[in-house]
Amino acid sequence: SSELTQDPAVSVALGQTVRITCQGDSLRNYYASWYQQKPGQAPILVIFGNNNRPSGIPDRFSGSSSAITASLIITGAQAEDEADYYCNSRDSSGDLVIFGGGTKLTVL
Amino acid sequence: QVQLQESGPGLVKPSGTLSLTCAVSGGFIMTNNWWSWVRQPPGKGLEWIGEIYHSGRTSYNPSLKTRVTISIDKSKNQFSLKLTSVTAADTAVYYCARGEVKAATGINRFDPWGQGTLVTVSS
Repeated sequence: SSELTQDPAVSVALGQTVRITCQGDSLRNYYASWYQQKPGQAPILVIFGNNNRPSGIPDRFSGSSSAITASLIITGAQAEDEADYYCNSRDSSGDLVIFGGGTKLTVL
Repeated sequence: QVQLQESGPGLVKPSGTLSLTCAVSGGFIMTNNWWSWVRQPPGKGLEWIGEIYHSGRTSYNPSLKTRVTISIDKSKNQFSLKLTSVTAADTAVYYCARGEVKAATGINRFDPWGQGTLVTVSS
């Protein structure tokens, strides 16, 4: 399969921990990378590989993976974390790029 | 640091050709990276269009493959997108992005992204 499945919407109380998941067979071969997108802005990379954060990304963002499921974890969610989050991987051949449908995170 | 900037017409007529260019600054395009185009229709998710390596090797989304051409101009440090026979369904914000792929370690990421440019298909 060359699809990545995400829950359309997730909510979290301010300061609590939230897990956003991404599921697909392609995750057996490639780690998921995760992107945050706020309204009117381009996506930015927040997690890639085996739980790697680009410089400038707060350490409350982390990632984990197991078999065909990848997770983005926000520990102590802040109001500014409210955004759409997309996972991304490649198909088993490595030739094609796949994006998940996105998860809208609401911080209550 | 590397920055990407999309440019091109914001309005294209139905059945016409959409043409965009992505200028790469702060770094060279002849690196071990894939240079990609991604689009996002209004209110919808991200859709990968295709990518090109500095050698000229390309890979395209199967759903768009018959209409897409991505090319690279190493002398100008930029790459381009052409999408033919456009319809209203091609109305979207178009992003360019630098991709890194390492099959041995399972790494795949897009960073950085351009700011995006809205292309509307309408008569």
